Amino acid sequence: GAGVSQSPRYKVAKRGQDVALRCDPISGHVSLFWYQQALGQGPEFLTYFQNEAQLDKSGLPSDRFFAERPEGSVSTLKIQRTQQEDSAVYLCASSSRHSLRGEAFFGQGTRLTVV
Amino acid sequence: GQQVMQIPQYQHVQEGEDFTTYCNSSTTLSNIQWYKQRPGGHPVFLIQLVKSGEVKKQKRLTFQFGEAKKNSSLHITATQTTDVGTYFCAGPYGGATNKLIFGTGTLLAVQP
Repeated sequence: GAGVSQSPRYKVAKRGQDVALRCDPISGHVSLFWYQQALGQGPEFLTYFQNEAQLDKSGLPSDRFFAERPEGSVSTLKIQRTQQEDSAVYLCASSSRHSLRGEAFFGQGTRLTVV
Repeated sequence: GQQVMQIPQYQHVQEGEDFTTYCNSSTTLSNIQWYKQRPGGHPVFLIQLVKSGEVKKQKRLTFQFGEAKKNSSLHITATQTTDVGTYFCAGPYGGATNKLIFGTGTLLAVQP
């Protein structure tokens, strides 16, 4: 596609429910990143993939968060047993380079609200 | 841990006035990127600075990277209503190039 696509755009989950957020990066982009953005804050790094390899997951806030990119293209961020503090916008970004010495293209994000 | 702070947090200007946001890192950065996020939108890449003391211009926007590569600024001349949004600086964390740390952001409001 022309840009990074994320789905769903909005998700309301009951506390304790599992959710899965999808990211379709720009075709051919090697690097894929997930960020969490709370209201009024800057994006906070969650995890990074280079092709199918998850090279850095140090930003994942707990073991309830899990991300995968099995074929090196589409990625899924899964949150188990959601809690209210998980409410945020989850942004996916991709880059054609192996590192972030260059432009990262962000998707529109998924706004997760846990009630 | 590494922190990237921006000031001011919020600025309200009249259309036509100038605007500057400052970005300060607790550690030296190999490069710095600037992004703009419109209300309800996603961050959009503006520019990357790599060299110490580098200055780049994009029309009314002027970006600077400090000599010590720990600070940066974005200056907008003669703001327009289309400049409204939050401006973030971002730099690689701890020398690693795969983790971009975003600054706290400056929200710019422009009154017509």
